[in-house]
Amino acid sequence: EAGVAQSPRYKIIEKRQSVAFWCNPISGHATLYWYQQILGQGPKLLIQFQNNGVVDDSQLPKDRFSAERLKGVDSTLKIQPAKLEDSAVYLCASSLVIGLAGGPKLEENIQYFGAGTRLSVL
Amino acid sequence: AQKITQTQPGMFVQEKEAVTLDCTYDTSDQSYGLFWYKQPSSGEMIFLIYQGSYDEQNATEGRYSLNFQKARKSANLVISASQLGDSAMYFCAMRDLYNQGGKLIFGQGTELSVKP
Repeated sequence: EAGVAQSPRYKIIEKRQSVAFWCNPISGHATLYWYQQILGQGPKLLIQFQNNGVVDDSQLPKDRFSAERLKGVDSTLKIQPAKLEDSAVYLCASSLVIGLAGGPKLEENIQYFGAGTRLSVL
Repeated sequence: AQKITQTQPGMFVQEKEAVTLDCTYDTSDQSYGLFWYKQPSSGEMIFLIYQGSYDEQNATEGRYSLNFQKARKSANLVISASQLGDSAMYFCAMRDLYNQGGKLIFGQGTELSVKP
């Protein structure tokens, strides 16, 4: 079974430029997450989709970041314009469902991650 | 609010020995899940093991086991018979299981180095 695919793996841009990242989740996974991981820290959620609807974007800097998940499959994350502090690894993850009442099944709750996109803003 | 604390920035272990990576958590949720992920230098987060708050037995997965002490709010990862390939960052994470928001809350991570 193919894992979560992300591209590009690396990106170097200058501040105030724009950049876009792409993610293809595991086939059949309804939930897709974008996390930002700054060097030396754990990942932090930027946005979460359930199918093509947004579930949580409370931590997304909406003045510069945008994301979409057309047709409930692939997703793109865009930064425009980029700032120096946006330098980080952007991780995409997917899971079957968010959670189930009555006892969630393990395999439905595991978030599987892609290899990430390492962004450097100069 | 949920919080994960990993107090060991770095750990060393001799090959073939066992090592324990500490994780404590704070939450007011009744039902939650605890996860451990491994992140090698390649960057991908690899799922290792999961413990549900309602599980009475500690989770095990091959050489990985989770020492879950609910009253102390700790979920330590034990790696037995360490291998050179275990050298990586290890992250403890948690999430509410029933809330619509399924985001993982991660700790700061522990860098494990396995010595030959």
